[in-house]
Amino acid sequence: TQLLEQSPQFLSIQEGENLTVYCNSSSVFSSLQWYRQEPGEGPVLLVTVVTGGEVKKLKRLTFQFGDARKDSSLHITAAQPGDTGLYLCAGARAGGGADGLTFGKGTHLIIQP
Amino acid sequence: NAGVTQTPKFQVLKTGQSMTLQCAQDMNHEYMSWYRQDPGMGLRLIHYSVGAGITDQGEVPNGYNVSRSTTEDFPLRLLSAAPSQTSVYFCASSYGTDSEQFFGPGTRLTVL
Repeated sequence: TQLLEQSPQFLSIQEGENLTVYCNSSSVFSSLQWYRQEPGEGPVLLVTVVTGGEVKKLKRLTFQFGDARKDSSLHITAAQPGDTGLYLCAGARAGGGADGLTFGKGTHLIIQP
Repeated sequence: NAGVTQTPKFQVLKTGQSMTLQCAQDMNHEYMSWYRQDPGMGLRLIHYSVGAGITDQGEVPNGYNVSRSTTEDFPLRLLSAAPSQTSVYFCASSYGTDSEQFFGPGTRLTVL
């Protein structure tokens, strides 16, 4: 079983602070997706990174895929209360697999006003 | 497009009862899957389907059945509910196994 380890599990910070959450594995993934889930709703895709070393920006969110395609990070600049939610990473295994993506357990993020 | 719809939103069952969680998508996606989400456990795959008439087991299939008679629908059946099946259930669909997953709003199930 290929595992995706996310850290930290929980993070509570003040509005305006910066933060980084991590998604790590010992296995190689052909691509990695980041989702955000708000209470009472299903996860929604934020971004997909495909190339080793790739960096994608979504407003104040910066996503990076590791050079070896085994890890990824999400950096939020000047966090806002609207960033509160559960952040999930999900990897597509190199070589494929009919059972789809491997999900991490998520980082619960709370941004306090 | 409605995307992925799930019914019911909430359900309470007694131990031993059976029920079906409904899932439908209108995006003509071939791949559909069912997950359960529990605190500290993340999303765990129950069953999945790569197309109409084809289903397979995921990580935690025991106590659940699925069928895929049409591209649009992928119901999940609980055969004899147990308290361990108390969870939030999500249905998802996508173009392919590694593509963006579109999730439904979830069903919160409590088994007493």
